[in-house]
Amino acid sequence: GENVEQHPSTLSVQEGDSAVIKCTYSDSASNYFPWYKQELGKRPQLIIDIRSNVGEKKDQRIAVTLNKTAKHFSLHITETQPEDSAVYFCAARRTGFQKLVFGTGTRLLVSP
Amino acid sequence: DGGITQSPKYLFRKEGQNVTLSCEQNLNHDAMYWYRQDPGQGLRLIYYSQIVNDFQKGDIAEGYSVSREKKESFPLTVTSAQKNPTAFYLCASSPRGATTDSNQPQHFGDGTRLSIL
Repeated sequence: GENVEQHPSTLSVQEGDSAVIKCTYSDSASNYFPWYKQELGKRPQLIIDIRSNVGEKKDQRIAVTLNKTAKHFSLHITETQPEDSAVYFCAARRTGFQKLVFGTGTRLLVSP
Repeated sequence: DGGITQSPKYLFRKEGQNVTLSCEQNLNHDAMYWYRQDPGQGLRLIYYSQIVNDFQKGDIAEGYSVSREKKESFPLTVTSAQKNPTAFYLCASSPRGATTDSNQPQHFGDGTRLSIL
């Protein structure tokens, strides 16, 4: 089955810096890769997703890149702000399957 | 997402007791899911259902049971067989894609925090 590894487990940056979180997946048939943000004690919220027919997707200060050959995808946050502090989860899913497999999460701390 | 309601927000279980967590959605989604989240860990899939009257075990189904009698409801029972039930439980739902190549995002409820008395 699918296995998703996520690094780093914690990431501390200064406000205004960029943050990058990386995930690798094992199943070459996976073709959908969402990213979720979870603030303390709250529900995970979808922030961006990418499908395997594109290599990059941007939404304001966040972007996701996908390298299908290497089977890894990354979340990039530019001009970080304290409100970006949260736990971020990556996930992967195969075509035709409803199951998402999640990474173990990255705790991002943005210091003013 | 306001369309997925989990209750209660906090729940306490006594030894040997079964407890049921509620999940209701008004998004007309076909698929529903239950995840368990332990401190500092990711989300692990307990059960999922792609359609009414059908459900499948996830990665950690032992000690849990579900039913899917209505499209909008997917309750999770934590049985006494689950020896370590203390965790944050998240319910999610998603539309079924128009084709098997479609991928639809999952939307989560606010969660239920279960503790042992």
